[in-house]
Amino acid sequence: TQLLEQSPQFLSIQEGENLTVYCNSSSVFSSLQWYRQEPGEGPVLLVTVVTGGEVKKLKRLTFQFGDARKDSSLHITAAQPGDTGLYLCAGLKDTGRRALTFGSGTRLQVQP
Amino acid sequence: GAVVSQHPSWVICKSGTSVKIECRSLDFQATTMFWYRQFPKQSLMLMATSNEGSKATYEQGVEKDKFLINHASLTLSTLTVTSAHPEDSSFYICSARGLQQGAGNTIYFGEGSWLTVV
Repeated sequence: TQLLEQSPQFLSIQEGENLTVYCNSSSVFSSLQWYRQEPGEGPVLLVTVVTGGEVKKLKRLTFQFGDARKDSSLHITAAQPGDTGLYLCAGLKDTGRRALTFGSGTRLQVQP
Repeated sequence: GAVVSQHPSWVICKSGTSVKIECRSLDFQATTMFWYRQFPKQSLMLMATSNEGSKATYEQGVEKDKFLINHASLTLSTLTVTSAHPEDSSFYICSARGLQQGAGNTIYFGEGSWLTVV
């Protein structure tokens, strides 16, 4: 059972369209990260959110952390082919091993 | 930013042999390193957490005698896949948590290592 569920699992859209990826959990996290991963490479950190309700923008990407720190969303405006990749959310807890727990992943394909 | 390097980037080994993957933090000290495994088109699954100078903590279902982890220094952790089988073929990724103030508690990822067992 995945602790963090992402939806959708796969998304294929046309260049210029908007999209939202959701990351949901029943657990509370002290922080949540979003990564993008290209095939055969390690994940690359996009953003970290730590405060409930926090919204961060990174150019055309908008990240939001839920008020209860159990969920997050990533919104991409005017998607471009260069946005194609695997998007992963990952949560960090204050207790235990303090390892990142990754979501199930969303594979995005942006067609030119 | 902080850099974590893995070596080798890819390796092919024969079934029954052992293979070692290294994870190095190049410009910071890492008290904790994490090893993940990723199968094609799937997410990263935590295998174990290793702390410098102590035994690794393995996740449920991960065989500690098969996946030997050593974290002998603050900049190096190794994962040895012993008696490898084709089903061990996967993408192995390490990450490291910084100790120094500049790196804070941020977790940095390596580039990953492809293991193919034939």
